Amino acid sequence: DVKVTQSSRYLVKRTGEKVFLECVQDMDHENMFWYRQDPGLGLRLIYFSYDVKMKEKGDIPEGYSVSREKKERFSLILESASTNQTSMYLCASSAGTGPYGYTFGSGTRLTVV
Amino acid sequence: SQQGEEDPQALSIQEGENATMNCSYKTSINNLQWYRQNSGRGLVHLILIRSNEREKHSGRLRVTLDTSKKSSSLLITASRAADTASYFCATDARGAQKLVFGQGTRLTINP
Repeated sequence: DVKVTQSSRYLVKRTGEKVFLECVQDMDHENMFWYRQDPGLGLRLIYFSYDVKMKEKGDIPEGYSVSREKKERFSLILESASTNQTSMYLCASSAGTGPYGYTFGSGTRLTVV
Repeated sequence: SQQGEEDPQALSIQEGENATMNCSYKTSINNLQWYRQNSGRGLVHLILIRSNEREKHSGRLRVTLDTSKKSSSLLITASRAADTASYFCATDARGAQKLVFGQGTRLTINP
C-alpha cells in the first residue's frame, strides 16, 4: 500500500525552538507539498518541490523553510517556532504535474507553547 | 489564495439520503478534484474530473463540472454513517502547477 509518512502525529515545542517536520513517500513521486490547516482557513500551501534540491514558495512561506535532499523525503523547518505556527501540518505528494491526485500523510498536529 | 469555495459549510442528513456539495472557483482550470478528510486525519483523494469532462462516477460518488459557471458538485448517494467527514474541492488552475483547496463542507450522517 503506497503511503506518505509523517514522522510525528503530535508535537509540542517551545517558542523560539527550531522544529523539523519530516515527510517520506514510497511512491517515487516527483512532487511534494507542505500545507497547514487551520479552522476557518482551510488548507494553505507553505512550500512545494518538483525535484530533488528544488523548492518553490507557496502562499504562506514566511517563518518556514524546506529541504529536499532525496526524492522521497521533504522536510519542513520552522526556523524559530512561534505560537501562531500552532496548526495541523499536512504533507502530500503527487506523481507529477498533470491530472494526478495527491496522496496525503496523516498530519502532524504541532502545538507551540 | 483560496480558489475553490464549498457550499454549504456544513450539512447534516439522515442515513440513506443523498448528500450534495457544491464548489465554485474563479479561474480556468486543468482539472478539479474532491477529497475527504476524517476528523484529525489526512485527506484522501476521491475523484478527479478534467476540464473537458462534464460528469464522472465512482461507486456512490457522482461529480459534475460546469466550466461555464466555474462550478462543480459532488453527490454521495445512499449515504452511510462512515461518510461522515469533511469534503474538499481542489482546483488545478492552468499554469499554477499546484492544487488550491477550498475550506470544505462538513458532512454529518445521522443514523
